[in-house]
Amino acid sequence: DAKTTQPNSMESNEEEPVHLPCNHSTISGTDYIHWYRQLPSQGPEYVIHGLTSNVNNRMASLAIAEDRKSSTLILHRATLRDAAVYYCILGDAGGTSYGKLTFGQGTILTVHP
Amino acid sequence: EAQVTQNPRYLITVTGKKLTVTCSQNMNHEYMSWYRQDPGLGLRQIYYSMNVEVTDKGDVPEGYKVSRKEKRNFPLILESPSPNQTSLYFCASSYTGTGAYEQYFGPGTRLTVT
Repeated sequence: DAKTTQPNSMESNEEEPVHLPCNHSTISGTDYIHWYRQLPSQGPEYVIHGLTSNVNNRMASLAIAEDRKSSTLILHRATLRDAAVYYCILGDAGGTSYGKLTFGQGTILTVHP
Repeated sequence: EAQVTQNPRYLITVTGKKLTVTCSQNMNHEYMSWYRQDPGLGLRQIYYSMNVEVTDKGDVPEGYKVSRKEKRNFPLILESPSPNQTSLYFCASSYTGTGAYEQYFGPGTRLTVT
């Protein structure tokens, strides 16, 4: 399975944008890039996913590098409720690992008031 | 409200006493899965199911059983629990489109085996 690399932790101030990076230099052409987050004492929560183009939804934006070897999750205005562990995960829609989310250590995001 | 529910949320049991953790989803999802989360090891997949009567092993299936007799339910069975199965368990479900990676997770079941 292609691996991802994320910083262990990041900090932000409330109402400021946050850019969470992820490196995935061994990504294959059919791997989707998924982001999940896990708030304290809760189950993981799907955030966003993309293949090649940048994506936006109500929670966040996903910027994907042209060579797809890296991506950035963008929270446009961080709130205290965004403090969580953020996971960048690769998944091949047609692969043998169908549906298996391989969670790494993720990035612990701390948001300061 | 679309959701995945798990019961019980907390359970303390003794070694060898069979137990079942239930998982139910109301979104008509085909795909369901069980994960366990342990400190320093992240989440690891135990079993998954592509649809009714179709189940397969994940990365850490030893000591667990599952069944999928109905689309909405996917119980996790520990026939003879051992202390190394003390963990936080999550059930998840998804449509099978785009590889079933957009998964909805339940609130978790914290299991302690003494």
